[in-house]
Amino acid sequence: ETGVTQTPRHLVMGMTNKKSLKCEQHLGHNAMYWYKQSAKKPLELMFVYNFKEQTENNSVPSRFSPECPNSSHLFLHLHTLQPEDSALYLCASSQDANNEQFFGPGTRLTVL
Amino acid sequence: GQNIDQPTEMTATEGAIVQINCTYQTSGFNGLFWYQQHAGEAPTFLSYNVLDGLEEKGRFSSFLSRSKGYSYLLLKELQMKDSASYLCAVRGAGNNRKLIWGLGTSLAVNP
Repeated sequence: ETGVTQTPRHLVMGMTNKKSLKCEQHLGHNAMYWYKQSAKKPLELMFVYNFKEQTENNSVPSRFSPECPNSSHLFLHLHTLQPEDSALYLCASSQDANNEQFFGPGTRLTVL
Repeated sequence: GQNIDQPTEMTATEGAIVQINCTYQTSGFNGLFWYQQHAGEAPTFLSYNVLDGLEEKGRFSSFLSRSKGYSYLLLKELQMKDSASYLCAVRGAGNNRKLIWGLGTSLAVNP
């Protein structure tokens, strides 16, 4: 148990669907992250939130829309995705942006 | 550009010692992390080095040489459960403090 939970664990969606990924951390951290992990590619940082404020948007297409209502919850809203967006989406949190990150189990996303 | 290099795959025998290398070229340096990721699971933090030298934590040790842009993770008394991917990540400095990740080294421990 890492203290970071993600739902759903698996998601299959069509290119015209709208869905959301949810992340919750129970560690009292103040920074949260979304990563994309694809086969044969390094972890790609997508978004960073520090004290609920977005501090990094790593040139992510607008079909991915993050939301951080409080320091414990992070969402990733998905719409009109492409098949190449199929990947494992990992959420992480840390106490301040410089410390080690604790990861959730990820959501395995398949876009048909 | 920024680059992290690690071997793609390694194989070792139960009870043995294995060293996983990581070399990096980044714009600034503010620490190096090692994570372990079992198949289908979340990466978990193993170690952090920011100064040169060896950090030991049980069966796992991590070494850093900033002048050489080099680190290694040393796993002793290997167990079957150590079969996993080992990820090296470097934090940049200044205005670019995000983690740059390597592709990971897939370690298979055989009986």
